[in-house]
Amino acid sequence: AQSVTQLGSHVSVSEGALVLLRCNYSSSVPPYLFWYVQYPNQGLQLLLKYTSAATLVKGINGFEAEFKKSETSFHLTKPSAHMSDAAEYFCAAQTYTGKLIFGQGTTLQVKP
Amino acid sequence: KAGVTQTPRYLIKTRGQQVTLSCSPISGHRSVSWYQQTPGQGLQFLFEYFSETQRNKGNFPGRFSGRQFSNSRSEMNVSTLELGDSALYLCASSLARESGGPSYEQYFGPGTRLTVT
Repeated sequence: AQSVTQLGSHVSVSEGALVLLRCNYSSSVPPYLFWYVQYPNQGLQLLLKYTSAATLVKGINGFEAEFKKSETSFHLTKPSAHMSDAAEYFCAAQTYTGKLIFGQGTTLQVKP
Repeated sequence: KAGVTQTPRYLIKTRGQQVTLSCSPISGHRSVSWYQQTPGQGLQFLFEYFSETQRNKGNFPGRFSGRQFSNSRSEMNVSTLELGDSALYLCASSLARESGGPSYEQYFGPGTRLTVT
């Protein structure tokens, strides 16, 4: 069965520092992968998606993610954190039936 | 284009009652999926509807049901509510292919926060 694992339920960075949120997936065939962000009391907003066109995917708000098949990883990065980036981030894999399987989420804290 | 809308945003119910949640997808989207979000279990897939038919189903008891109307709007019903049903229920819409399968991103609504007392 497919699964998604996000390493670290909480990540804390200083404003201006690099953001790195880790995601690993299990599958014999690379699935479609997504990163979503959730702000308090809101739904999920799509940050970026991987659909096998390019291994480095750029998303909104300066985020990007790199698909590495050999490591079954899809880590999310941003060169310089802003206070407004504080939120919960979810990595998700889309199965061949179309449903999304989510990781447990990583809460990003940005310190001034 | 208007986003996915969900009503109501907040709901308080008592154990044993039933509840109906509503979701209006983005115009043109024929697929609507429902997810349950809880602190303990995270985000879990409930079911997907496409053209008024349930196409996929998650691992939830039969108390959870849904339907989709001809205008793609969807409702989710939970009968005989339990305390453990307290959660944020998220609806997502997608262009999706008639043949099913992945590739189209899902756009989420703001959710309905259900509290069961």
